[in-house]
Amino acid sequence: ETGVTQSPTHLIKTRGQQVTLRCSSQSGHNTVSWYQQALGQGPQFIFQYYREEENGRGNFPPRFSGLQFPNYSSELNVNALELDDSALYLCASSHDRARIAKNIQYFGAGTRLSVL
Amino acid sequence: AQKITQTQPGMFVQEKEAVTLDCTYDTSDPSYGLFWYKQPSSGEMIFLIYQGSYDQQNATEGRYSLNFQKARKSANLVISASQLGDSAMYFCAMTKSGSTLGRLYFGRGTQLTVWP
Repeated sequence: ETGVTQSPTHLIKTRGQQVTLRCSSQSGHNTVSWYQQALGQGPQFIFQYYREEENGRGNFPPRFSGLQFPNYSSELNVNALELDDSALYLCASSHDRARIAKNIQYFGAGTRLSVL
Repeated sequence: AQKITQTQPGMFVQEKEAVTLDCTYDTSDPSYGLFWYKQPSSGEMIFLIYQGSYDQQNATEGRYSLNFQKARKSANLVISASQLGDSAMYFCAMTKSGSTLGRLYFGRGTQLTVWP
């Protein structure tokens, strides 16, 4: 158990719809990162939130957006869903006190999104 | 750009035997971190072991050890005394020093199957 919880666990949407995924970080962690894992692939970094602001973004379009709340929990929003958005979405939390290279991220179990 | 290569899509090992999962990486940064994560079918990414680029000794965590060969840019995971519960997907990942706290770059993973 990492203490990182994600909801919902599974979600089915249709193309063009919008979706919100939620993540509660491990106690004491102030940084949340989101990753997309397509079937048979390694996770790809979407973005990171630190002190309620976006702190780095991967190669994802603006229709992927997020929020971080004062309690460090986070949301990932995806607008205008496309079939290729079907994936496992993983949230990871960490603390900024660690050296950047040894910033161990602890993951939740993910939300499996299917877009039909 | 950071790149992780895992050339073994699948590996099989008998229970109680040792197994080595291969990982090579490519980066021009002098300061970086290398990680291994385990992903069971449930989806959660479980942190196993970390190696810093400046660490002189190979990292060990219980049955897990990381064979770090800096000149060859390899960071192989060795699991000793395999157990049936070790069957899972294993990902090698790296971070680099920079503004995004601990952003992970993942390989494509190796599916490990432990048989009795």
